[in-house]
Amino acid sequence: NAGVTQTPKFQVLKTGQSMTLQCAQDMNHEYMSWYRQDPGMGLRLIHYSVGAGITDQGEVPNGYNVSRSTTEDFPLRLLSAAPSQTSVYFCASSLTTGKGETQYFGPGTRLLVL
Amino acid sequence: QQPVQSPQAVILREGEDAVINCSSSKALYSVHWYRQKHGEAPVFLMILLKGGEQMRHEKISASFNEKKQQSSLYLTASQLSYSGTYFCGTEGNNDMRFGAGTRLTVKP
Repeated sequence: NAGVTQTPKFQVLKTGQSMTLQCAQDMNHEYMSWYRQDPGMGLRLIHYSVGAGITDQGEVPNGYNVSRSTTEDFPLRLLSAAPSQTSVYFCASSLTTGKGETQYFGPGTRLLVL
Repeated sequence: QQPVQSPQAVILREGEDAVINCSSSKALYSVHWYRQKHGEAPVFLMILLKGGEQMRHEKISASFNEKKQQSSLYLTASQLSYSGTYFCGTEGNNDMRFGAGTRLTVKP
């Protein structure tokens, strides 16, 4: 198993550009989520999904869109990048949620918005 | 809502003990603890379930007080490898929220 994979590892964008951060898992996990990590702020939940076709907002969803057309993939879209979205983004997955299952994290994507 | 962790940072000498606390304002199903090294992804340490036992990972243990919605991580006889940022994650019905982290530095 590859676990949770994320691409790209590093990205530089100009303000106003759009891009998609990719996340995939091969463990047949129902639950997938996106976090952003900023110094002193910990991991803040952006969006999550409890299964294919089902997504919901987390703590900081503004400026981000997600979709979940398959169990394996959970891409995060930035429609118009802003400098405030400079951060490290982690995707995570677990078998399910609400039942004490381990969260597995991807390696992260470092995003710099100029 | 994010759980609240304390302290924000701890500096220890090798062999000393430390306690990291995590509290939440909402009812929890479980509390997770993760450790993150600089530039890496968080790595799972342990899960504490409602009604479950105190857990251990090497010389690290944790407890979960369901009534107070609080969890504590106990690091005993710290080693250099324990350095990193520790996060608690609180699990509700549908999502997982993480605290701001506690930076632990262990010096020789």
